[in-house]
Amino acid sequence: EVQLLESGGGSVQRGGSLRLSCVGSGSGFIFKNEAMSWVRQAPGKGLEWVASINGHGSTTNHANSVRGRFTVSRDNSKNILYLQMNDLTTEDTAKYYCAKAWLVFESWGQGTLVSVSS
Amino acid sequence: SALTQPRSVSGYPGQSVTISCTAASGESWSSNFVSWYQYRPGKAPRLLIQDVYKRSSGVPNRFSGSKFDSTASLTISGLQAEDESDYYCCSYAGEYSYVFGSGTTVIVL
Repeated sequence: EVQLLESGGGSVQRGGSLRLSCVGSGSGFIFKNEAMSWVRQAPGKGLEWVASINGHGSTTNHANSVRGRFTVSRDNSKNILYLQMNDLTTEDTAKYYCAKAWLVFESWGQGTLVSVSS
Repeated sequence: SALTQPRSVSGYPGQSVTISCTAASGESWSSNFVSWYQYRPGKAPRLLIQDVYKRSSGVPNRFSGSKFDSTASLTISGLQAEDESDYYCCSYAGEYSYVFGSGTTVIVL
């Protein structure tokens, strides 16, 4: 079973930065072979795909709403997925989930909360 | 492209409800990488259906998926109280990108 554990959330002022981490583990789960993604849910809103990265880390994509401000990356030697978030706005306030994702979001973490104040 | 879902659907226990997920007007939707998720506040989203109709492991067979033209659907047959939740469709949009539907709240009367 795949286990994903996010961390790094917190409160930050507008314009600030945060880096989220997601550690992957589990029997049969070979982290470096799996594409991974970040998904968020803002208060009162729906799920929103944020960013994805392939297993090697050589290919990434980001939603238009975060492109140029957020960067997804990974360290396969540590089984960690990252989301560097810069120039945060109040619109980025949300619960952020990491997910094992290739064509479908198969496994999810419990999420980490990010709150951006003005 | 946006995927639109009804804001809410409701039914009595034992009834069937269907949640639609429709691509933006005038747009074709050729992807068969359509998935559905159950999302309860405070919990991680749960994969129910992938590839339009394939149930994920452990998902009861009263959950079923389909797609015709620009609309995908999730049907819950034999509605149970525990099915009260938010549901989201999602489509793979190519090049490691995805789009989620607007979300539907299922209310068990």
